[in-house]
Amino acid sequence: DIQMTQSPSSLSASVGDTVTITCRASQNINNWLAWYQQKPDKAPQSLIYAASTLHGGVPSRFSGSRSGTDFTLTISSLQPEDFATYYCHQYYAYPRTFGGGTKVEIK
Amino acid sequence: VQLRESGPGLVKPSQTLSLTCSVSGDSVTGSQYYWTWIRQHPGKGLEWIGYIFYTGNTYYNPSLKSRGTISLDTSRNQFFLKLSSVTAADTAVYYCAREYDDGDFDYWGQGTLVIVSS
Repeated sequence: DIQMTQSPSSLSASVGDTVTITCRASQNINNWLAWYQQKPDKAPQSLIYAASTLHGGVPSRFSGSRSGTDFTLTISSLQPEDFATYYCHQYYAYPRTFGGGTKVEIK
Repeated sequence: VQLRESGPGLVKPSQTLSLTCSVSGDSVTGSQYYWTWIRQHPGKGLEWIGYIFYTGNTYYNPSLKSRGTISLDTSRNQFFLKLSSVTAADTAVYYCAREYDDGDFDYWGQGTLVIVSS
């Protein structure tokens, strides 16, 4: 299985901050990575696919990038509605696997 | 597109967990979609269970140790999950989702909590 190591597991930030979440794949997955946002008691929602392509309706303050097997989700100018848990997900191979999640909390 | 899970919220140990995902706004016979089950243990991360393609082809997470079965009813536009010989470790929120064209999961159900307990 492809292991997805996500860091940090949690972070505290203020409205207006820029936050960065990293996911490292245990092997090459090309750009086959997605980022999801999950709010309490809700299903995850896909924000980004193909490492850096935003789904329609996702604010432009979200961005994704790739460097080798390292992937980054950046949220610029954090908004109150962005406080949530974020997961990365590889769809290069089966079984599909997810990172352990990053909880973004209000400082 | 909407997906909705349904099924018992409580299952006894050693029995079979059975869930239904009802799909509206799209057809489960679409050739670009993999109809998927994912679960989330309480307070934990996400675990991919498996998928079914409209042809009936399936693929399961080996971590389930062959306990999972996913099937499809095209006439009702539904797909199903059966997980046999459940234990407390199968207690989780179960989501159905659509994987688009070997890509990400673009639509999800709201999730259903299944508790395994006697």
